[in-house]
Amino acid sequence: GENVEQHPSTLSVQEGDSAVIKCTYSDSASNYFPWYKQELGKRPQLIIDIRSNVGEKKDQRIAVTLNKTAKHFSLHITETQPEDSAVYFCAASISGGSNYKLTFGKGTLLTVNP
Amino acid sequence: DAGITQSPRYKITETGRQVTLMCHQTWSHSYMFWYRQDLGHGLRLIYYSAAADITDKGEVPDGYVVSRSKTENFPLTLESATRSQTSVYFCASSDWGRPYEQYFGPGTRLTVT
Repeated sequence: GENVEQHPSTLSVQEGDSAVIKCTYSDSASNYFPWYKQELGKRPQLIIDIRSNVGEKKDQRIAVTLNKTAKHFSLHITETQPEDSAVYFCAASISGGSNYKLTFGKGTLLTVNP
Repeated sequence: DAGITQSPRYKITETGRQVTLMCHQTWSHSYMFWYRQDLGHGLRLIYYSAAADITDKGEVPDGYVVSRSKTENFPLTLESATRSQTSVYFCASSDWGRPYEQYFGPGTRLTVT
């Protein structure tokens, strides 16, 4: 089955700096890569996703890049703010057919220091 | 977010007891999922369902049972709770047209003593 590795497990940045979280996946058939944000004590929420036919996607201060050849994808947060502090999870899935399961990475705890 | 709810939010039970965690969604989403979240393990899929009466095992199904007699409900039962099942349990759902965009419930914190 799919295996998703996520690094780093913890990341501390100063407010205004950029943060980058990286994930690798094992199954070359995976073609859908979402990112979830989980604030302390809250539920995970989808913040951005990317499909394999796209190399980069942006949404305001958040961007995700995908390198299918290397089987890795990354989350980039620019101009970080204290409210960006949370655990971020990457995931991978094979979109299409009857396979709709997500395999999650183990998460990255991002702390933005004011 | 009020569209998917879980109950109870907190539960303490003893080893060997049966406990059922409830999940209810009002969106008529086809797909529903159960995850457990443990420190250092992220989110691990227990069971999932594509529609009423269709369920399948995920990554860590041992010790759990699910049913889905109605589209909106997806209860998770621990038949004989063990301490290793102490965890935070999240239910999620997604729409037929966008099955990979999952919406999570608020979670149930279960402690097995």
